Amino acid sequence: KNEVEQSPQNLTAQEGEFITINCSYSVGISALHWLQQHPGGGIVSLFMLSSGKKKHGRLIATINIQEKHSSLHITASHPRDSAVYICAVGAQGGSEKLVFGKGTKLTVNP
Amino acid sequence: DAGITQSPRYKITETGRQVTLMCHQTWSHSYMFWYRQDLGHGLRLIYYSAAADITDKGEVPDGYVVSRSKTENFPLTLESATRSQTSVYFCASRRDRVGYEQYFGPGTRLTVT
Repeated sequence: KNEVEQSPQNLTAQEGEFITINCSYSVGISALHWLQQHPGGGIVSLFMLSSGKKKHGRLIATINIQEKHSSLHITASHPRDSAVYICAVGAQGGSEKLVFGKGTKLTVNP
Repeated sequence: DAGITQSPRYKITETGRQVTLMCHQTWSHSYMFWYRQDLGHGLRLIYYSAAADITDKGEVPDGYVVSRSKTENFPLTLESATRSQTSVYFCASRRDRVGYEQYFGPGTRLTVT
């Protein structure tokens, strides 16, 4: 069983819809990362969080440490949000390594 | 401010050849990482480095060699390329041990024929 599970694997939405992508993990963590990868493109860090909630523009990331769960929300989705969203965790104890989920492919149709 | 760059961006090579993928960062970040990305597996760590002359294995190190003589460079060498090493390779860097974001390079798409 992968230590980091994302759901759904694929998500199709209409422009303007509210999007939620989920990430569950099984180990104690020092931080959780949300990354974005556009088709054929590089990987960009969206958020790094260890508690609570962070917001950047239309993107919101939340984490519940007790439940070992994080969500990435996109409000008023737009076709340019179409990408793969990847959750990654850094294990507790300050491990240098990140463990990655397999990603959620989001397609937003106009 | 180039940030983190990789070269080449695309490479086709034959089975058995030696190939070196280059990674260069301009931030003087301590940590550097090499990942491979394959369908169905997500990103997997090959090797990482905590500082110049300090490297360690990741999840999938077999068939790869790294070195880090300078802080800014972290080359990855495939000593004898195999078809199973066809993948997209990403280099990343991070400022310090924990609590900082990782910054990824643009990737190198390697095909081994």
